[in-house]
Amino acid sequence: RKEVEQDPGPFNVPEGATVAFNCTYSNSASQSFFWYRQDCRKEPKLLMSVYSSGNEDGRFTAQLNRASQYISLLIRDSKLSDSATYLCVALRGGSQGNLIFGKGTKLSVKP
Amino acid sequence: NAGVTQTPKFQVLKTGQSMTLQCAQDMNHEYMSWYRQDPGMGLRLIHYSVGAGITDQGEVPNGYNVSRSTTEDFPLRLLSAAPSQTSVYFCASSYLKGANSPLHFGNGTRLTVT
Repeated sequence: RKEVEQDPGPFNVPEGATVAFNCTYSNSASQSFFWYRQDCRKEPKLLMSVYSSGNEDGRFTAQLNRASQYISLLIRDSKLSDSATYLCVALRGGSQGNLIFGKGTKLSVKP
Repeated sequence: NAGVTQTPKFQVLKTGQSMTLQCAQDMNHEYMSWYRQDPGMGLRLIHYSVGAGITDQGEVPNGYNVSRSTTEDFPLRLLSAAPSQTSVYFCASSYLKGANSPLHFGNGTRLTVT
C-alpha cells in the first residue's frame, strides 16, 4: 500500500461547483500535511498547509483527521483556473527529506 | 527574484551517455532535493541535502549521484543513462527549520533516454 493515497480522478465539474478531494496516509508517524497544486507541464506549488483544527484560505478548506489518517481539500465555487492536479503531501518525521507525495488528483473545471 | 533555477529544460540522451542536471537557488535555503515524476507514479525523491557537504539518498537513488559543495548549487549526475531514467526531473529547496516551510520547485527538466 502506498504511504499517501489519493483518488486519481479526473474530477470533471462545472464552474461554480463544490468539489472535495480525499487523501489517506498509512504512516501514523506523519506529522505535517500539505496540499500542492501542479498545473499541466509545470512545477508543483504549495497551495496550503493542513492543520489539525482545519484551515480555510478563501474558497479552499483543508481538514485533517488523525484518528482516521485522512486529509481532505474542499474547493467551493470552483473556477476555470482551478483546473490542475492537486497533490496530497505528508511529512514523515521532522526532516524535509521525509516528504511523501501522493500521485495527485486531476481536476478539470468546465464552463 | 530567480528562486530555483534548473538547466537544461529539455535533454535527449543515448543509452550509456552521462550528463549533469544543474540546480541553483538564491534563497539561502539549507535543504535541496531532486525528484523525478513519472506518469502514474507521482513525485519520488532521488537524493537530498540538508546543507553544504551533506547529502543523503531518497526513495530512488540508484543510477544518480549528487554533491553539495555550496549552499546554492545541487547538481544531479547521471553516470550512464538508461531508458528507465526517462522522466521529468524537479529540483526543490526550502528552509530546513520549521515543518511547514514550503518546497520551492524549479521548472523541471524533461529527459528522454533512447
